[in-house]
Amino acid sequence: AQSVTQLGSHVSVSEGALVLLRCNYSSSVPPYLFWYVQYPNQGLQLLLKYTTGATLVKGINGFEAEFKKSETSFHLTKPSAHMSDAAEYFCAVSRTGGFKTIFGAGTRLFVKA
Amino acid sequence: GAGVSQSPSNKVTEKGKDVELRCDPISGHTALYWYRQSLGQGLEFLIYFQGNSAPDKSGLPSDRFSAERTGGSVSTLTIQRTQQEDSAVYLCASSLSVESRRSTGELFFGEGSRLTVL
Repeated sequence: AQSVTQLGSHVSVSEGALVLLRCNYSSSVPPYLFWYVQYPNQGLQLLLKYTTGATLVKGINGFEAEFKKSETSFHLTKPSAHMSDAAEYFCAVSRTGGFKTIFGAGTRLFVKA
Repeated sequence: GAGVSQSPSNKVTEKGKDVELRCDPISGHTALYWYRQSLGQGLEFLIYFQGNSAPDKSGLPSDRFSAERTGGSVSTLTIQRTQQEDSAVYLCASSLSVESRRSTGELFFGEGSRLTVL
């Protein structure tokens, strides 16, 4: 069975500071890993994904994540937070592309001026 | 359509009534998913369709929940005899078939249907 754990339901950073959102997964087979973002009253949209190949993945809006198999982690980072980054972020894992994607509980990011 | 469309966007109903939630996926997407998002609970997988068939219904919380998909397109999620614990946002997503070489694994989400059961 696959599962996703996001550490911290809420994260608060100052504008311009580093953003680090933590995600650990469990999977008995090589996983596909995703980060999605949800702005208020909207659906989720893909930030970035890892399937195979390079373990450092770059996404939209300056976000990136690194797949570390030994740590079963896929943490999301951004060097400098912007007010517009305030949203809820979901880490997700699937065994094959898309089928029964399992989501973490989400981390709400607050950005202080 | 250009994106995944869900209706209604908001539904308020009384306990015990039946509700139907509709999802119109992106044209050409053969895979369709329903998730439930409750406050602070993340996204709970409900059901997955490949074409008109549902290989995985394991997430449906009770026999009051059912879903169908016709013509490989529109899907309806039906909740019978609604209970207050059914209050949540129901999200629909679509994707290319997982068997498609063009599939990137990305799910495309609608904006959700917010259900409130009084």
